[in-house]
Amino acid sequence: GENVEQHPSTLSVQEGDSAVIKCTYSDSASNYFPWYKQELGKGPQLIIDIRSNVGEKKDQRIAVTLNKTAKHFSLHITETQPEDSAVYFCAASMVGSARQLTFGSGTQLTVLP
Amino acid sequence: ETGVTQSPTHLIKTRGQQVTLRCSSQSGHNTVSWYQQALGQGPQFIFQYYREEENGRGNFPPRFSGLQFPNYSSELNVNALELDDSALYLCASTLGAGDALQYFGPGTRLTVL
Repeated sequence: GENVEQHPSTLSVQEGDSAVIKCTYSDSASNYFPWYKQELGKGPQLIIDIRSNVGEKKDQRIAVTLNKTAKHFSLHITETQPEDSAVYFCAASMVGSARQLTFGSGTQLTVLP
Repeated sequence: ETGVTQSPTHLIKTRGQQVTLRCSSQSGHNTVSWYQQALGQGPQFIFQYYREEENGRGNFPPRFSGLQFPNYSSELNVNALELDDSALYLCASTLGAGDALQYFGPGTRLTVL
């Protein structure tokens, strides 16, 4: 089955700096890669996603890049703000009836004021 | 907010007992997936229900079972609870079984003593 590895497990940045989180996946059949933000006591919230026919996608301060050849994808957050502090999860999904998501282990992002 | 609701918010059970968790999907969504999130880890796929039938299952034993009702709401049942079942249980709804985009509810925190 699919395996997703995520790095780093913790990341601290100064407010206004950029943050980058990286993930690798194992199954070349995966074609959908969402990123979720999870705040304490809440469920994961989708912040951005990318499909395998696209190399990069941007939404305001958030961008995701995908390298299908190397099987890795990254989340980039620019101009970080204290409210960006949360746990971020990458995930991968492959074509199939259930389209289940396989998640990485998460990155605790702390934005220091 | 995603429009996905779960109940109860918190639950405490003892080892060997049975538990039922409930989920109401987002309006218009006919597919519900359940995930288990242990503390400090990413969510793990339990199973998915599409039009009242199980549509895919992760690596969980048969004591984890589910139901989906005609209004697309869903239940997760866990029999013979074990200490390791303590986790956040997340429900995610999807427009259709072939759609990868999943919206998560806030979760139910289950503690097994």
